[in-house]
Amino acid sequence: EVQLVQSGGGLVQPGGSLRLSCAASGFNFNIYSMTWVRQAPGKGLEWLSHISGSSTNIYYADSVKGRFTISRDNTKNSLYLQLNSLRAEDTAVYYCVRGRSTIDYWGQGALVTVSS
Amino acid sequence: QSALTQPPSASGSPGQSVTISCSGTSSDVGGYDYVSWYQQHPGKAPKLMIYEVIKRPSGVPDRFSGSKSGNTASLTVSGLQADDEADYYCSSYAGSSVLFGGGTKLTVL
Repeated sequence: EVQLVQSGGGLVQPGGSLRLSCAASGFNFNIYSMTWVRQAPGKGLEWLSHISGSSTNIYYADSVKGRFTISRDNTKNSLYLQLNSLRAEDTAVYYCVRGRSTIDYWGQGALVTVSS
Repeated sequence: QSALTQPPSASGSPGQSVTISCSGTSSDVGGYDYVSWYQQHPGKAPKLMIYEVIKRPSGVPDRFSGSKSGNTASLTVSGLQADDEADYYCSSYAGSSVLFGGGTKLTVL
């Protein structure tokens, strides 16, 4: 059974940093592209970043480029998202998801609240 | 890149059919056969219902079907049931990114 278990959300002040983690199981993690998607309260889904299986290809949405960093550790079957220079508008549920052109499995989500 | 365009709401009575549209451009919906549809119930993570325009993952009822014409994709839900009431999002591969639609709230009357 494919599972994506997320951790690392919480309350952070504007300008602060946070690291989100996603532990994958039930599939061959190192051959799958992985993606981060977020959803602001009461809003729709927003694609943030993608990383290929070998970390060779990485892409970011313009809204987070230069502030967020995606990475993975295939030895630990884990995906990460480092969030820096956080703004109030980054408040959202962040989802770790499997896939690139088709996103088929979603983590449970991690709430990040940016507020003073 | 702009989000894909979906109607904010749709509705139908139990047993009826409803179709939700998803409009994009030749750089996304019209350019690739990588359109997906997701169902999201309140407080839950989205669930994949349709991928690659017309394919259904294992376990998704055949009441859900997808199609595409030009730059517009569509999701049809037939034989509406109470549990179909949810938010539905389309997505499309767009080269170096993925675009999502703004979401459609489906109400079962």
